[in-house]
Amino acid sequence: NAGVMQNPRHLVRRRGQEARLRCSPMKGHSHVYWYRQLPEEGLKFMVYLQKENIIDESGMPKERFSAEFPKEGPSILRIQQVVRGDSAAYFCASSRDEGQPQHFGDGTRLSIL
Amino acid sequence: DAKTTQPPSMDCAEGRAANLPCNHSTISGNEYVYWYRQIHSQGPQYIIHGLKNNETNEMASLIITEDRKSSTLILPHATLRDTAVYYCIVRPFSGTYKYIFGTGTRLKVLA
Repeated sequence: NAGVMQNPRHLVRRRGQEARLRCSPMKGHSHVYWYRQLPEEGLKFMVYLQKENIIDESGMPKERFSAEFPKEGPSILRIQQVVRGDSAAYFCASSRDEGQPQHFGDGTRLSIL
Repeated sequence: DAKTTQPPSMDCAEGRAANLPCNHSTISGNEYVYWYRQIHSQGPQYIIHGLKNNETNEMASLIITEDRKSSTLILPHATLRDTAVYYCIVRPFSGTYKYIFGTGTRLKVLA
């Protein structure tokens, strides 16, 4: 039973480039959540998606950040024109439905040069 | 802001029980208590959750006070691999999907 798969595990970008982070939920899970963690802090919610729908994006910065979860394929978190402050660990979680516990991947560590 | 309060750090001797407290005095009737842990550089790992009854699984036990204002996560025989940051989270069963993480308790298991 594969868990939540995130790739890449580490991503290095220069300021102004785009970052694409991928998340494949656990088998049978159709609910995906993205969180961001800065060093020495707890995780902060960004966005919640179901297949082809954004349900809650209250934690997403208004600009440069977007997320999708297409009918086929992984969920994508996209950061355009990255800045140094975007350096963080980005975690994806999935659940079978909204009331069930969320299961997390091991994250993508984004470093901005 | 997180609705939970946890001590920032705790030590526990290997083989002994680790008891991690969590205060959630403003918990609502439809909110569950969830526990996760995060081992360095990994994603949070689900441990256990409960509403008002005590719960036990292969990893831990969860004791919730009768007034539900606090809970304790018990690791019955702590090992070095249990060294991690432990997060206590309250969340409604439905209607609000996100977890709000606090700063957690950094548990160090000592040999």
